[in-house]
Amino acid sequence: KAGVTQTPRYLIKTRGQQVTLSCSPISGHRSVSWYQQTPGQGLQFLFEYFSETQRNKGNFPGRFSGRQFSNSRSEMNVSTLELGDSALYLCASRDRDLNEQFFGPGTRLTVL
Amino acid sequence: AQSVTQLGSHVSVSEGALVLLRCNYSSSVPPYLFWYVQYPNQGLQLLLKYTTGATLVKGINGFEAEFKKSETSFHLTKPSAHMSDAAEYFCAVSKIQGAQKLVFGQGTRLTINP
Repeated sequence: KAGVTQTPRYLIKTRGQQVTLSCSPISGHRSVSWYQQTPGQGLQFLFEYFSETQRNKGNFPGRFSGRQFSNSRSEMNVSTLELGDSALYLCASRDRDLNEQFFGPGTRLTVL
Repeated sequence: AQSVTQLGSHVSVSEGALVLLRCNYSSSVPPYLFWYVQYPNQGLQLLLKYTTGATLVKGINGFEAEFKKSETSFHLTKPSAHMSDAAEYFCAVSKIQGAQKLVFGQGTRLTINP
């Protein structure tokens, strides 16, 4: 099976813009989670979607949002970008039987 | 609430030496525990996990970890370090139901000296 794919891999935006990141889970996985990784804060959970419904949400402002489509693909959106949003954004899809999350390579977002 | 503490943000060992990366967790419910490895410019790869059953867990690349409930620890070890083990390692905990939300430690960067 193909792994988790994320697009784009790299992105440069300026403050105030918005951005949409995409994640395609492993075939058959219905749960997708998003994490933000920064040098200062480490890996932090953003949200998790299952069957197009948000099931869990981390402690991030409302500028961070996401959605999941019927084919389990997920997008996350960040509006009104701030310098502090520069990070590696990781998507993970979960194998329910194995209780494991499989991570994609991430999208590195730089906000100038 | 759950939390993870990794002792030592940087660990350096010689090639062939024992690798020991420390992880302590806090959880109000029985936890699932994980170790992930991250190579530069890549995502996270699962090394091993503890869910239930045997407390000594063997993973990929010769790594293993032991769940010690009394010490709330899940330390990662490898008997003999290899140059290819140089990477960042993350310990993570989740609630026992489903492992949907992972709480990560701050990570330990492992350097291997020739």
